[in-house]
Amino acid sequence: GQQVMQIPQYQHVQEGEDFTTYCNSSTTLSNIQWYKQRPGGHPVFLIQLVKSGEVKKQKRLTFQFGEAKKNSSLHITATQTTDVGTYFCAETRYNFNKFYFGSGTKLNVKP
Amino acid sequence: NAGVTQTPKFQVLKTGQSMTLQCAQDMNHEYMSWYRQDPGMGLRLIHYSVGAGITDQGEVPNGYNVSRSTTEDFPLRLLSAAPSQTSVYFCASSLRDRAGDTQYFGPGTRLTVL
Repeated sequence: GQQVMQIPQYQHVQEGEDFTTYCNSSTTLSNIQWYKQRPGGHPVFLIQLVKSGEVKKQKRLTFQFGEAKKNSSLHITATQTTDVGTYFCAETRYNFNKFYFGSGTKLNVKP
Repeated sequence: NAGVTQTPKFQVLKTGQSMTLQCAQDMNHEYMSWYRQDPGMGLRLIHYSVGAGITDQGEVPNGYNVSRSTTEDFPLRLLSAAPSQTSVYFCASSLRDRAGDTQYFGPGTRLTVL
């Protein structure tokens, strides 16, 4: 079954507001990946985090991996309408190259 | 490069029919996977392959078969379609590079089983 739980399920924000989605696991994760899926589209890889406490930034997006490697977050500063979509976290299993996805957070941005 | 391609884009089947969803990649990736996506469920792994001739089951393999005779192709076969298999199916290939296990997805096949 799913190894990672993602919250919230939905988020509606006004353009310019910040947004955060969280990914939580009861077990230690080997790594965590984040994907974005636009409505009607396919998932697109954003980033992978591997190290405990790791923080990575991509323009307005900030990704964090918890110190215990049991949680991760994606934060978007000053959302834009182009940020609309569903954001998924996923855990990979290096030995078998299996990917387990969270259920996703659907972001809607009102202009 | 075309990346990951999937055919068909849409398909309607009757219960009990069989069909094959095609997936091909031209990036010489060793790893390929099939997922299904249902509303509110995220993506669930059906089958995956770590190279030509090697396949294994994912989370939800029942009712599906795969084979990997070449690096490029990874078809998914529905043996006897059921309404529970109505879903969007994504094929993906992955390459371990500096970004990590970067996974590239195809555009998907929307399958309806009546």
